[in-house]
Amino acid sequence: AQKITQTQPGMFVQEKEAVTLDCTYDTSDQSYGLFWYKQPSSGEMIFLIYQGSYDEQNATEGRYSLNFQKARKSANLVISASQLGDSAMYFCAMRGGSMDSNYQLIWGAGTKLIIKP
Amino acid sequence: DGGITQSPKYLFRKEGQNVTLSCEQNLNHDAMYWYRQDPGQGLRLIYYSQIVNDFQKGDIAEGYSVSREKKESFPLTVTSAQKNPTAFYLCASSTAGTNYEQYFGPGTRLTVT
Repeated sequence: AQKITQTQPGMFVQEKEAVTLDCTYDTSDQSYGLFWYKQPSSGEMIFLIYQGSYDEQNATEGRYSLNFQKARKSANLVISASQLGDSAMYFCAMRGGSMDSNYQLIWGAGTKLIIKP
Repeated sequence: DGGITQSPKYLFRKEGQNVTLSCEQNLNHDAMYWYRQDPGQGLRLIYYSQIVNDFQKGDIAEGYSVSREKKESFPLTVTSAQKNPTAFYLCASSTAGTNYEQYFGPGTRLTVT
């Protein structure tokens, strides 16, 4: 069965510091995709970054980067130079590549990140 | 502006009543999804649709129904058979295919008393 695990329920980080949010996954698919989303208190889910299982380079999008370690089945999100506006829930999600798992995202439980001024 | 709209933002209903949540997108996406989110938890898939007039059950479809008569619209009905309907409901859409991110609407917070 496919599964996403986020082991950090909450984190406090000082403003301007870098932060790493952990995500491990379990799948038997050879082809899959990993996503990170941000959910502010308003509730809307905001797409941050995507990593494909065959991508050789770690994905980066501005201050966000994904530390993809395929052998360890981990896909940690790194936020550089954190800002107060980064305070939110962060969710890791995975989409499998098999017929049964296609189109469905499997979600982790999320990590609540609070940036301290 | 392209995007996904959900209405209303907050919805209150009495137990035993059916209620329909609206979801409209103008992104020209083929696929649309409905998720449920309970406090402190991740998202769970209710229904999804890859094409007009076709939809599939997700992990928690019991007590819910959907229709997809138009590409732009994917309304969700929470029926009286849903035992615990109070939750935050999120609609999403995406281009068909496995590598494309899902875009989300602002959500509807449903409270049933």
